[in-house]
Amino acid sequence: KQEVTQIPAALSVPEGENLVLNCSFTDSAIYNLQWFRQDPGKGLTSLLLIQSSQREQTSGRLNASLDKSSGRSTLYIAASQPGDSATYLCAVRPQGTGGFKTIFGAGTRLFVKA
Amino acid sequence: DVKVTQSSRYLVKRTGEKVFLECVQDMDHENMFWYRQDPGLGLRLIYFSYDVKMKEKGDIPEGYSVSREKKERFSLILESASTNQTSMYLCASSPGRTTSNEQFFGPGTRLTVL
Repeated sequence: KQEVTQIPAALSVPEGENLVLNCSFTDSAIYNLQWFRQDPGKGLTSLLLIQSSQREQTSGRLNASLDKSSGRSTLYIAASQPGDSATYLCAVRPQGTGGFKTIFGAGTRLFVKA
Repeated sequence: DVKVTQSSRYLVKRTGEKVFLECVQDMDHENMFWYRQDPGLGLRLIYFSYDVKMKEKGDIPEGYSVSREKKERFSLILESASTNQTSMYLCASSPGRTTSNEQFFGPGTRLTVL
């Protein structure tokens, strides 16, 4: 059974710091991995989608990597800003489920101090 | 930009009431999903639909039903609301029938059942 774990559960950093959020999954048979951002009381905003054949994706200050064989993904945020404060979730689409199931991690709550 | 909208941001209902949560997407996506999000339990899939009038049960369908009469609209129905259905409900959509597609989420509906 696919499980997704995110470490740490919470993180507090000063503004300007570069940081890495971690996501691990137990079964490497996935179609893709997606990173989301969620602000308190709001829906999820898609940040980056990495297909199983890809190693990384970049968008602005964000870079996500995927190592399927080790069951790991990282989200790198460069030059963090207070506006980056949110919960970050990763999610995988397991193979063998018709591609419709998505397994979410519990998220990492990030606080960037001004 | 893909836009997924939900009919209400906040909803308060009484036990036993019939509740309708509406979701509309404007990007002609085939796939639509309903999740609930609870502290400590993360996101859990209630139902999804891969075409008009088609629906599939997710992980926690008990107490819920869905309707998809038009491609852009996916409704979640609580036939007789109960207090344990107090939660944040999130709708999502994704394009096509391939398994690698990105999910886009609505802003969420915070439902309280008294």
